Amino acid sequence: DAGVTQSPTHLIKTRGQQVTLRCSPISGHKSVSWYQQVLGQGPQFIFQYYEKEERGRGNFPDRFSARQFPNYSSELNVNALLLGDSALYLCASSLVGSSAGGPNEQFFGPGTRLTVL
Amino acid sequence: AQSVTQLDSHVSVSEGTPVLLRCNYSSSYSPSLFWYVQHPNKGLQLLLKYTSAATLVKGINGFEAEFKKSETSFHLTKPSAHMSDAAEYFCVVVDTGRRALTFGSGTRLQVQP
Repeated sequence: DAGVTQSPTHLIKTRGQQVTLRCSPISGHKSVSWYQQVLGQGPQFIFQYYEKEERGRGNFPDRFSARQFPNYSSELNVNALLLGDSALYLCASSLVGSSAGGPNEQFFGPGTRLTVL
Repeated sequence: AQSVTQLDSHVSVSEGTPVLLRCNYSSSYSPSLFWYVQHPNKGLQLLLKYTSAATLVKGINGFEAEFKKSETSFHLTKPSAHMSDAAEYFCVVVDTGRRALTFGSGTRLQVQP
């Protein structure tokens, strides 16, 4: 079975531009979470979606938005890019919309490396 | 709010010697804790998880961790390091309020031949 997939793998943008990152969860998983990992730091939570509804949000500005589609895939959008948005963006999927162990365990994709110049 | 503190940003061991990666947690109730590993250019992989069933948790690749409530610790250990263990390790606590994982800052494990 395929794991979590993300596209694109790498992306280079300039300040002020907008970017869309995509994630396909493991088949059967209905929840998707997004994390930002700045170089040298641990991932930070951005959003969680379950059954197409936002179920959790981290401390990120409104420039960050996301959505989940009927097939449970998800997009993360970032507007008005800043140099500080350069990071690895990770997507994680789970069966249900929580974060503990068991069926709620989160499985991570390889990430999208975003560079803002 | 729940949080974790990884006490060492970098640990270096020789192949075949024990590994100890330290993590302290802060939580107002019994937490769910994880250790994840991240190899270069690869996604995060779950090593093990604690969800109050047993204080000593065994994970993949010979790793284990012990939950100590009195010390608010969840240290990761392995009896004998292998070259393939070289990676970044993250201690993680579940933030049930935001339905999210809260990661520590990471410990980079270097294994010398």
